[in-house]
Amino acid sequence: EVQLQESGPGLVKPSQSLSLTCSVTGYSITSNYWGWIRKFPGNKMEWMGYISYSGSTSYNPSLKSRISITRDTSKNQFFLQLNSVTTEDTATYYCARSGVATDWGPGTMVTVSS
Amino acid sequence: DVQMTQSLSYLAASPGESVSISCKASKSISNYLAWYQQKPGEAYKLLIYSGSTLQSGTPSRFSGSGSGTDFTLTIRSLEPEDFGLYYCQQYYEKPLTFGSGTKLEIK
Repeated sequence: EVQLQESGPGLVKPSQSLSLTCSVTGYSITSNYWGWIRKFPGNKMEWMGYISYSGSTSYNPSLKSRISITRDTSKNQFFLQLNSVTTEDTATYYCARSGVATDWGPGTMVTVSS
Repeated sequence: DVQMTQSLSYLAASPGESVSISCKASKSISNYLAWYQQKPGEAYKLLIYSGSTLQSGTPSRFSGSGSGTDFTLTIRSLEPEDFGLYYCQQYYEKPLTFGSGTKLEIK
């Protein structure tokens, strides 16, 4: 059974970077695609991007200048970094086995506030 | 970006009834459409992909239909555990985009 678990700070200050980790068990991240999705207050969902089995990445153009998705295959983890955050980045962040997300983590809420 | 519209943000129905949730794409996406369910305290669950293919474990009372721009998720004979938020998502082109969600409440 594939399991994903997000972790990271729940509070980030404006202009700083948001960094999250997704730990995957039961499936190697060197297979398939692994992505980040967020849900804003009010239920709007946004696909942020993914990293492929080979390590290539694809990002939502709306975030392209601020986002980076990387991985550590030895730990079977992948990471999200979002730079220069504002209050509009306050959301619940999910990692998922992407593009059609067959498996999701439970999500982690991140608040951007000073 | 492909805009996905779920016209109903809220729906209430009684157990045993059938409900349909619609999703409209701003351009043709063939059948590259998935449906997800989110219940409080639980992870998102993929219900249907390719417009009408049930994901393993999805009860047969769920069905999906449509292609091109118009899609429907139908739940026949509602069970109390079917309450939650339902989202459609297109994966025809990047960026992948979601509908705004439909909250299904059980009367």
